[in-house]
Amino acid sequence: DTAVSQTPKYLVTQMGNDKSIKCEQNLGHDTMYWYKQDSKKFLKIMFSYNNKELIINETVPNRFSPKSPDKAHLNLHINSLELGDSAVYFCASSSGHNTGELFFGEGSRLTVL
Amino acid sequence: SQQGEEDPQALSIQEGENATMNCSYKTSINNLQWYRQNSGRGLVHLILIRSNEREKHSGRLRVTLDTSKKSSSLLITASRAADTASYFCATDEGGSEKLVFGKGTKLTVNP
Repeated sequence: DTAVSQTPKYLVTQMGNDKSIKCEQNLGHDTMYWYKQDSKKFLKIMFSYNNKELIINETVPNRFSPKSPDKAHLNLHINSLELGDSAVYFCASSSGHNTGELFFGEGSRLTVL
Repeated sequence: SQQGEEDPQALSIQEGENATMNCSYKTSINNLQWYRQNSGRGLVHLILIRSNEREKHSGRLRVTLDTSKKSSSLLITASRAADTASYFCATDEGGSEKLVFGKGTKLTVNP
């Protein structure tokens, strides 16, 4: 009965590959997010979707493409992976896009070799 | 852009002591939130304080907000080893829809 679940938890891949991370929330929330946490623990917002509509696109390279098939799912596809993409990617959700409480998934650690 | 800056970056205390972490931010806000992150886990929401509130309590947590100084503090009283984690403040930049996190304070509570 995990509220926000993301898969895979760990991802190790070579430079230049394409990979996807999936996220699902069962909280009935309208808004979902992707955050990137770097090696220094700095957490930066990447994207936000409200009811399948893109709300925030925070100057992320266009190699990153989010997709929200419905309001319970927000997937992240990354093309042509680079070393600098290595990080932990967190999915989160909230009941509205008014910056109330966020519910986070457990993170997906991506390592690009 | 980075909004919140936590201070100190790292804090080590003994069980039973109080832990105080500070957060400073740059723009006006509607609310400020504190989150906890255990090692290797996701962030967990602790408390939200609105811009018109000055103090809020939740169990052993006490949060203060000084909008004139653009700063907030998180006090954990009677700390326990299980409180060992990183603590982040987060604000909505100028009331935007974006929640921006600081770099966090790493708290270690020694048994």
